[in-house]
Amino acid sequence: EVQLVESGGGLVQPGGSLRLSCAASGLSFSIYAMSWVRQAPGKGLEWVSAISGSDGGTYYADSVKGRFTISRDHSTNTLYLQMNSLRAEDTAVYYCANVGPQYYFNYWGQGTVVTVSS
Amino acid sequence: DIQMTQSPSSLSAAVGDRVTISCRASQFISSYLNWYQQKPGKAPKVLIYGASSLHSGVPSRFRGSGSGTDFTLTISSLQPEDFATYYCQQSYSNLKYTFGQGTKLEI
Repeated sequence: EVQLVESGGGLVQPGGSLRLSCAASGLSFSIYAMSWVRQAPGKGLEWVSAISGSDGGTYYADSVKGRFTISRDHSTNTLYLQMNSLRAEDTAVYYCANVGPQYYFNYWGQGTVVTVSS
Repeated sequence: DIQMTQSPSSLSAAVGDRVTISCRASQFISSYLNWYQQKPGKAPKVLIYGASSLHSGVPSRFRGSGSGTDFTLTISSLQPEDFATYYCQQSYSNLKYTFGQGTKLEI
């Protein structure tokens, strides 16, 4: 059974940092790309970042470029999102998702809540 | 980045109705279009990938069509469990898989 379990969310002040983790099991973590998607309260889904499974290439939405860094640890099957210079508008549920071989998100985690507020 | 625009933003329908949701890409995306269903408090689930391929376990009343820039999700006979929010997503742009703004389907 495939499982993606996010952690690391919480309350942080504007300008602060958080690191989200996504522990993967039951899938070939090293092969496939992984992504982060967020959903602000009452809003739609926003693609945030992705990392390739093959060459480790990274991709970011303009809204987070230069502030967020995606990475992955193949030895522990863990995906990360380092979030710096956080803003109120980064408040959201953050999901990690696996990018399947047919270019869609076939597995999702349950989400972790990030709240940026003073 | 490729922008995805869905219409309508919300839709009221009844059990048994046939409904259609549209999605338009800001540029050519071939058939790299996916549809997801999300219920409150839950992660999204894929329904359709590659514009028209039904994901395993998804009922056949869900149908996707289109190519290029214009796409449609059709639910042929609404069931109570289908009331949810639906999102399209393009997967043409290398791993920058942007979503539409969503369509909330209400009773």
